[in-house]
Amino acid sequence: ETGVTQSPTHLIKTRGQQVTLRCSSQSGHNTVSWYQQALGQGPQFIFQYYREEENGRGNFPPRFSGLQFPNYSSELNVNALELDDSALYLCASSLRGPNEQFFGPGTRLTVL
Amino acid sequence: AQSVTQPDIHITVSEGASLELRCNYSYGATPYLFWYVQSPGQGLQLLLKYFSGDTLVQGIKGFEAEFKRSQSSFNLRKPSVHWSDAAEYFCALRFSGGYQKVTFGTGTKLQVIP
Repeated sequence: ETGVTQSPTHLIKTRGQQVTLRCSSQSGHNTVSWYQQALGQGPQFIFQYYREEENGRGNFPPRFSGLQFPNYSSELNVNALELDDSALYLCASSLRGPNEQFFGPGTRLTVL
Repeated sequence: AQSVTQPDIHITVSEGASLELRCNYSYGATPYLFWYVQSPGQGLQLLLKYFSGDTLVQGIKGFEAEFKRSQSSFNLRKPSVHWSDAAEYFCALRFSGGYQKVTFGTGTKLQVIP
């Protein structure tokens, strides 16, 4: 059974650029969630996708957007990058219902 | 609004000593509760979870947690800490219905000294 994978591992961008982060869900999982973890903080919920539709969103602006594909893999897109977007971005997959989320290793984004 | 409080930012224990990490939550009903561990630069690993039933929950790596509804707490314990337990620990909760947004505490960093 393959766990949750994320790519790339690290990424450096400059302010104003756009970035796409990718996540492959654990086999059989139909729900994917994205979190932002700033240095020294707990993860903050960005949004969740189920069956290719966003079905929950945290307190993040519209320049944070996502996609879920038929194979349940997912992308997180961030437009007009700001310095404060520098963080570890975590993807988590799960089955819908009372089930735990399984996290990937994260993508470290640095915005200069 | 739901929230999770971990009052201890940093805890230092001696190897072999017992450990208790505190977690309090605010939520209108009984939530699903979790403890995760994160090593530096790594993702989150689930230690244990509480959904319902027995309020004393056993997890991996010798950890356990007790759900106390009256105190809105879900403290994590381990009887004897190993040097490899040094990491950051996050308590988290999510709705018991609806979508699966998980709310995390700010974390407790555990240092283990010889």
